[in-house]
Amino acid sequence: DQQVKQNSPSLSVQEGRISILNCDYTNSMFDYFLWYKKYPAEGPTFLISISSIKDKNEDGRFTVFLNKSAKHLSLHIVPSQPGDSAVYFCAASARSDYKLSFGAGTTVTVRA
Amino acid sequence: NAGVMQNPRHLVRRRGQEARLRCSPMKGHSHVYWYRQLPEEGLKFMVYLQKENIIDESGMPKERFSAEFPKEGPSILRIQQVVRGDSAAYFCASSPPSMVGSGTEAFFGQGTRLTVV
Repeated sequence: DQQVKQNSPSLSVQEGRISILNCDYTNSMFDYFLWYKKYPAEGPTFLISISSIKDKNEDGRFTVFLNKSAKHLSLHIVPSQPGDSAVYFCAASARSDYKLSFGAGTTVTVRA
Repeated sequence: NAGVMQNPRHLVRRRGQEARLRCSPMKGHSHVYWYRQLPEEGLKFMVYLQKENIIDESGMPKERFSAEFPKEGPSILRIQQVVRGDSAAYFCASSPPSMVGSGTEAFFGQGTRLTVV
């Protein structure tokens, strides 16, 4: 059962514009959410996280929004840069747990 | 994530052979997690270990797969009698002595790409 879903397998955006990646989850026990970035042939790298007590967390060009009632979160990257071209994974866990549940990933391509 | 070391990076095995994947966690990290990524899918949890203890192996297939994290040395994920369906990227992650989900992010290695021919 896929508890974390990223319904858009790919996203193409022009350099300088905003990238918006979406993620939905079904498990109401999840209270901690993370985004990982992955380049080909490398491991996932932690990007940004948010706890369920917040609805927004910002770190430089990256902002994550959490809508608990809709069980939805999104990652905004602005402005998008060529180096942002990668696969982005949404992940979630419950505070009492240690396992991360991952979405299938969204491949972002930033066009010059 | 450069601190978590996995080897080999690529491993080719014939059906029926054994595969051994190694993971050295970041310095100071005593928690190790193994994840598997099948093509076109996200990472799936396999097993969680602390030194000399398997804490949770609920994501690991019951047969042919085993994992260990000895007192000395790296964590090993062992797959016996490999089949084509075992072909995947296997990622190891480590975290310090607090659980992921409590504000501590797991750090991932670069993965081992296993190909069964």
